[in-house]
Amino acid sequence: ETGVTQSPTHLIKTRGQQVTLRCSSQSGHNTVSWYQQALGQGPQFIFQYYREEENGRGNFPPRFSGLQFPNYSSELNVNALELDDSALYLCASRDQRGSTDTQYFGPGTRLTVL
Amino acid sequence: GENVEQHPSTLSVQEGDSAVIKCTYSDSASNYFPWYKQELGKGPQLIIDIRSNVGEKKDQRIAVTLNKTAKHFSLHITETQPEDSAVYFCAALGTGNQFYFGTGTSLTVIP
Repeated sequence: ETGVTQSPTHLIKTRGQQVTLRCSSQSGHNTVSWYQQALGQGPQFIFQYYREEENGRGNFPPRFSGLQFPNYSSELNVNALELDDSALYLCASRDQRGSTDTQYFGPGTRLTVL
Repeated sequence: GENVEQHPSTLSVQEGDSAVIKCTYSDSASNYFPWYKQELGKGPQLIIDIRSNVGEKKDQRIAVTLNKTAKHFSLHITETQPEDSAVYFCAALGTGNQFYFGTGTSLTVIP
């Protein structure tokens, strides 16, 4: 186990709705990244937070937003859901202590948009 | 940004044979290359990684090689077992301090 948890496991929403996905990272890992993984594809980087500030963003529109909290938890918020947002959303806790730089993934949240 | 290509997309091997998965990257600034194994319904799991100051790394039946000049790296699994069946992803840590992933290789080990 990676020590990274995500909730909920599965979620069904309709187009136009808003969704919040949650992640709990490993203690001591100050960086958390969120990825979108479409069926049969590799994870696509959405954004990354370091000590509660966004410090990197992939090619995703502003309706994808996030928060990171001091207790190593984080959220991914998606507004105005579209059918193409249906995917597995992965949270990754990043250990950058010392010379290490290793990501540990959670099990993901499967989002279906109808 | 970085572009990571991965081949093959599917791979079937007999139990006990070796499997090789290859990736190329475009950004010469990339300096860290992890490999992940993803089983059905689970998140990717780190299985081995290599940094740009090393050419090869081995961990039991798994090895990774890196050719910085050619910008490619490979995963080698020897003595494959049915439990090695999964989707494998390569990744590169590139510009913007973010990870770029390949499109995955579905490995099937036939008993």
